[in-house]
Amino acid sequence: EIVLTQSPDTLSLSPGEGATLSCRASQSVSSSYLAWYQQKPGQAPRLLIYDATNRATGIPDRFSGSGSGTDFTLTISRLEPEDFAVYYCHQYGSSPRTFGQGTKVEIK
Amino acid sequence: EVQLVESGGGLVKPGGSLRLSCVASGFTFSSYSMTWVRQAPGKGLDWISYIGSSPSNIYYADSVKGRFTISRDNAKNSLYLEMNSLRDEDTAVYYCARGRELLNWGQGTLVTVSS
Repeated sequence: EIVLTQSPDTLSLSPGEGATLSCRASQSVSSSYLAWYQQKPGQAPRLLIYDATNRATGIPDRFSGSGSGTDFTLTISRLEPEDFAVYYCHQYGSSPRTFGQGTKVEIK
Repeated sequence: EVQLVESGGGLVKPGGSLRLSCVASGFTFSSYSMTWVRQAPGKGLDWISYIGSSPSNIYYADSVKGRFTISRDNAKNSLYLEMNSLRDEDTAVYYCARGRELLNWGQGTLVTVSS
């Protein structure tokens, strides 16, 4: 089983600042089959990035994904008020599929 | 517009059973793999089962293997999760999601396992 470890657990930032979220895998993720999701309280998760670098339909270009192998990054270039949420990475390259534990981006 | 609507959640005693359903619309259901993901109260996301567009392709998390069964009925645009031998730790909101990348998610259905 591939274990995904996200860091940091919590990121305290102000609107307008940039955010860098990390997701490290215990072994290589096949074909960069890694995705990022955003979840707000009381809502279902929403897909942001798939295949490590591709933005999902309707996702603003301030969100970008990078990485391959075991190290992946979600970057939010300038935080908008609606971006404060919990973010999860997920690998779907091998089974069992797994999620990271999440990074909370909170308002400083 | 893609829609996924889960149902079937509720309160059940430990050792009991439930069957969750997910009805899909807005896309060609038979062409997509589907996944169940759960989230315990205040916790993170937990992948539990996947079924390919071909029902012969099925995977489970170790935590539910042998107790849960995923299935689909393409004629009814529906995904199912049969849950047996339920435990306290199965208490969670259960989501269905479309595609390998989990492109779209339903709103979830709450399963509470408690005596």
